[in-house]
Amino acid sequence: KQEVTQIPAALSVPEGENLVLNCSFTDSAIYNLQWFRQDPGKGLTSLLLIQSSQREQTSGRLNASLDKSSGRSTLYIAASQPGDSATYLCAVVVGAQKLVFGQGTRLTINP
Amino acid sequence: DVKVTQSSRYLVKRTGEKVFLECVQDMDHENMFWYRQDPGLGLRLIYFSYDVKMKEKGDIPEGYSVSREKKERFSLILESASTNQTSMYLCASSRLAGGVHEQYFGPGTRLTVT
Repeated sequence: KQEVTQIPAALSVPEGENLVLNCSFTDSAIYNLQWFRQDPGKGLTSLLLIQSSQREQTSGRLNASLDKSSGRSTLYIAASQPGDSATYLCAVVVGAQKLVFGQGTRLTINP
Repeated sequence: DVKVTQSSRYLVKRTGEKVFLECVQDMDHENMFWYRQDPGLGLRLIYFSYDVKMKEKGDIPEGYSVSREKKERFSLILESASTNQTSMYLCASSRLAGGVHEQYFGPGTRLTVT
């Protein structure tokens, strides 16, 4: 059974720092991996999707990498801003288009 | 842009009531999903649907049923609400395009059962 783990559970950094969020999964047979952002009490916003054949995807200050063989993905956020404060969720697509989610990393950017 | 809407942002119901949560997507997606999200447990899949009138159980279907009579609409039904169904409910839709499955989520419904 696929399991997804995100470490750390919470992270607090000063504004302007570059940071990395980690995601690991137990079964490398995935279709793709998706990173989401969730603000308190709100739904999920898709940030980046990496297909299983890809190594990384970039969108603005965000860069996500995927290493299927080691079962790992990272989300790199450059020049962090207070508006980046949110919970970041990693999810892998397994058979039948089902997503398996990690527990998330709660990120706080301090002005 | 894909838009997934949910009928209510907040809902308060009494134990034993029948509850309907509605989800509508406007991008002609084949697949629709219902999740619940609880602190410490993360997001868990309740039911999903690949097509009209088709449904599949997710990881935690007990106490729930679903209905998909039209492609754009997917309803989650709590036959007899209980306090342990107090949760945030999230709907999502997706389609397979170029080998890619990307799910789009609605804003969520915070359900409280008293």
